[in-house]
Amino acid sequence: EAQVTQNPRYLITVTGKKLTVTCSQNMNHEYMSWYRQDPGLGLRQIYYSMNVEVTDKGDVPEGYKVSRKEKRNFPLILESPSPNQTSLYFCASSLGPREQPQHFGDGTRLSIL
Amino acid sequence: GENVEQHPSTLSVQEGDSAVIKCTYSDSASNYFPWYKQELGKGPQLIIDIRSNVGEKKDQRIAVTLNKTAKHFSLHITETQPEDSAVYFCAAPYSGGGADGLTFGKGTHLIIQP
Repeated sequence: EAQVTQNPRYLITVTGKKLTVTCSQNMNHEYMSWYRQDPGLGLRQIYYSMNVEVTDKGDVPEGYKVSRKEKRNFPLILESPSPNQTSLYFCASSLGPREQPQHFGDGTRLSIL
Repeated sequence: GENVEQHPSTLSVQEGDSAVIKCTYSDSASNYFPWYKQELGKGPQLIIDIRSNVGEKKDQRIAVTLNKTAKHFSLHITETQPEDSAVYFCAAPYSGGGADGLTFGKGTHLIIQP
């Protein structure tokens, strides 16, 4: 089954404690991206990757890092989480960045205390 | 960059009636317009998309119309059913200012009243 898998689905943690949210896709897609979803703000792009070892900032990259060492994986790293990063996060993959359907994971709800 | 406005933010309709959600975009070069449905606890899922070489596309009870001159596109759901209750997002592509991908509207919470 074609899917994007995120882990963990839920996480409550404290300010400053580094965390990683993993994302994996099994569709051999070159393009992957991370979004955060906040009430009233919709989905905003954090980082994206056009292919292995190629990553770039989206609209709201501050406080986040990503890596793309393998085509299927695109982890999101919060080196020093802060309460304003409490949000619902989605990973997505597609054949291309702009004119192809994006496949989303089921989300990771992060609470930073 | 692309600016996508979506209205209304909440829409309540009686079961069996039609629902219409509208979006406007700013970049006249945009040529791909998808609609996503997000159910509670799930990620957004593509339900229909349209490319700028056509003005309308239908898939059973769902249709999307595009007016490139006015830079707006709409989602139409006919004969609404309880399972249509969800949040719907429109999107348009953009590249520039560092970001590359889709810009999403802020979403419409569709409520189907029994």
